[in-house]
Amino acid sequence: EVQLVQSGAEVKKPGESLKISCKGSGYSFTSYWIGWVRQMPGKGLEWMGIIYPGDSDTRYSPSFQGQVTMSADKSISTAYLQWSSLKASDTAMYYCAKQGVSGYELDYWGQGTLVTVSS
Amino acid sequence: QSVLTQPPSAPGTPGQRVTISCSGSSSNIGSNPVNWYQQLPGTAPKLLIYSNNQRPSGVPDRFSGSKSGTSASLAISGLQSEDEADYYCAAWDDSLNGVVFGGGTKLTVL
Repeated sequence: EVQLVQSGAEVKKPGESLKISCKGSGYSFTSYWIGWVRQMPGKGLEWMGIIYPGDSDTRYSPSFQGQVTMSADKSISTAYLQWSSLKASDTAMYYCAKQGVSGYELDYWGQGTLVTVSS
Repeated sequence: QSVLTQPPSAPGTPGQRVTISCSGSSSNIGSNPVNWYQQLPGTAPKLLIYSNNQRPSGVPDRFSGSKSGTSASLAISGLQSEDEADYYCAAWDDSLNGVVFGGGTKLTVL
């Protein structure tokens, strides 16, 4: 059974750094892209970018380029999303999802990590 | 403002057939497959339709997708109360070099 399990909710202050994780199981983690999606409170879905754990090839949405860093550790089947200096506007739910093979569809999703940034 | 345009809401009654539209352009829907996601309240999104009209295993055949030119549609027949959710369309955009989502449609089953 394919599963993506994300790290727990975080409460941070502006300016702090953060790294959240997404652990895949039940499939070949290195063979499929992992995508990250942001959902701000009460808002829709926003595609942040994708990473290929096999070689850490990464593609960022122009909206998120330079704002976050995606990485992966294939030895432990885990993808990461990190911030070096959080802002209040980073408050959101963040989802990781496995990309399928047909047309950039995200076929399995993690449960989400809620990030709250507040002074 | 989302790149793909969806109606913000869609009402329906049990048993009815409802359709949700998704309008894009030549750089996204016009040249790439469309995917649809269902997000039940308080849960993570779930893939509902991929490659315009394909259903993942486990998705009831009450859900169907279609695409024509730069627009796509999701149809739900035999509407049930458990279908009340937010629905999002998405597609790769060749100009933006990334996936674009619609703003989402809130389906209410009256």
